[in-house]
Amino acid sequence: DTEVTQTPKHLVMGMTNKKSLKCEQHMGHRAMYWYKQKAKKPPELMFVYSYEKLSINESVPSRFSPECPNSSLLNLHLHALQPEDSALYLCASSQERGGAEAFFGQGTRLTVV
Amino acid sequence: AQSVAQPEDQVNVAEGNPLTVKCTYSVSGNPYLFWYVQYPNRGLQFLLKYITGDNLVKGSYGFEAEFNKSQTSFHLKKPSALVSDSALYFCAVRAAPSSGNTPLVFGKGTRLSVIA
Repeated sequence: DTEVTQTPKHLVMGMTNKKSLKCEQHMGHRAMYWYKQKAKKPPELMFVYSYEKLSINESVPSRFSPECPNSSLLNLHLHALQPEDSALYLCASSQERGGAEAFFGQGTRLTVV
Repeated sequence: AQSVAQPEDQVNVAEGNPLTVKCTYSVSGNPYLFWYVQYPNRGLQFLLKYITGDNLVKGSYGFEAEFNKSQTSFHLKKPSALVSDSALYFCAVRAAPSSGNTPLVFGKGTRLSVIA
């Protein structure tokens, strides 16, 4: 199983809503990532979890709140987002070896209205 | 600091012709280098990587890449392009040695268009 599964695939939310994005992998990877990608741009790193602990936060606004409940799951809680937060949100995971490739989910297309 | 440059925003090639997508990198020390492909509204798919050893790396879907340390390049190639290869291609780097939780640094991407 080399899949990273993200749900939902699409999400439309108002600026006052609270929603969550979910990511799951069963490859035994202990590094997990959230990226944000705007159209025709490279992915921008948001957060890195290593062994279920937050290791990198790329100065992401607090309206984005990550959570890693266990080694297979990664959540991104969303609250009071702005229209400019509309983007494709990608989850990825990898082994801890430096030469390990990251496996990406198909993403959640988020639209904030 | 690590960085990746993909000098071409767009590459056009006729079906059946060879294709090259360029990538140069900058890291302190040795690099781990990766190529990913992204189809519309999809996540990134891993194509191939260079860690150490043979400079010519073969990957998925007939793609290969050549690591050139003196030119700090890692160009992606395919001998015969298919229309289905049309997509957005990203080169990425991570400095060696490092752990897997060291994030990849991505280039800006190159859009490949294969014309029938």
